[in-house]
Amino acid sequence: GAGVSQSPSNKVTEKGKDVELRCDPISGHTALYWYRQRLGQGLEFLIYFQGNSAPDKSGLPSDRFSAERTGESVSTLTIQRTQQEDSAVYLCASSPSRVGVQNYYNEQFFGPGTRLTVL
Amino acid sequence: AQSVAQPEDQVNVAEGNPLTVKCTYSVSGNPYLFWYVQYPNRGLQFLLKYITGDNLVKGSYGFEAEFNKSQTSFHLKKPSALVSDSALYFCAVRDRGYSTLTFGKGTMLLVSP
Repeated sequence: GAGVSQSPSNKVTEKGKDVELRCDPISGHTALYWYRQRLGQGLEFLIYFQGNSAPDKSGLPSDRFSAERTGESVSTLTIQRTQQEDSAVYLCASSPSRVGVQNYYNEQFFGPGTRLTVL
Repeated sequence: AQSVAQPEDQVNVAEGNPLTVKCTYSVSGNPYLFWYVQYPNRGLQFLLKYITGDNLVKGSYGFEAEFNKSQTSFHLKKPSALVSDSALYFCAVRDRGYSTLTFGKGTMLLVSP
């Protein structure tokens, strides 16, 4: 079956521009996560969606970062006024978590990521 | 708080030899522990997880991991390494009350022919 997909796979932008990154989760997965992976570092949690609500936004590094999700499907991560330190691979993951129940031990299924380069 | 440490940036092993990739964790409650693998230019793939029960967990591609509560460790192991196992390995932990996983920094495994 189809896995998690992300687009674009690569994005090069100039400092100060806005970018939108898209994630299509596995059908039926209600939980969706965004992570950032900087070169040589681990994954940094950004935001978690359960359905179309975001109960945990604690990882968003600044108010330039925002995300939304349409129902239990597509999510977009928007970075406004990009800075060079935003350069990283942005990973999306989804998980079969039921609404109202936190399934702590369900594995997350990751997309291939979007490599963002801010010049 | 929940945290994970992977003390080795890189592990080098000869093909056919056993491998171990180390992971230690810190949580306030009972941990749920995971290992993921990342091949170049690809997302993370799930290998195995520990929830409860047997301390030795078996996963994909012949990998296994041993949960040790007293040492707060969850080391990844494989009896005989393959060149194709060369990749970046991440350990992750989740404590009840947290909405997501906390990942370690990753360990690069290089298996030489």
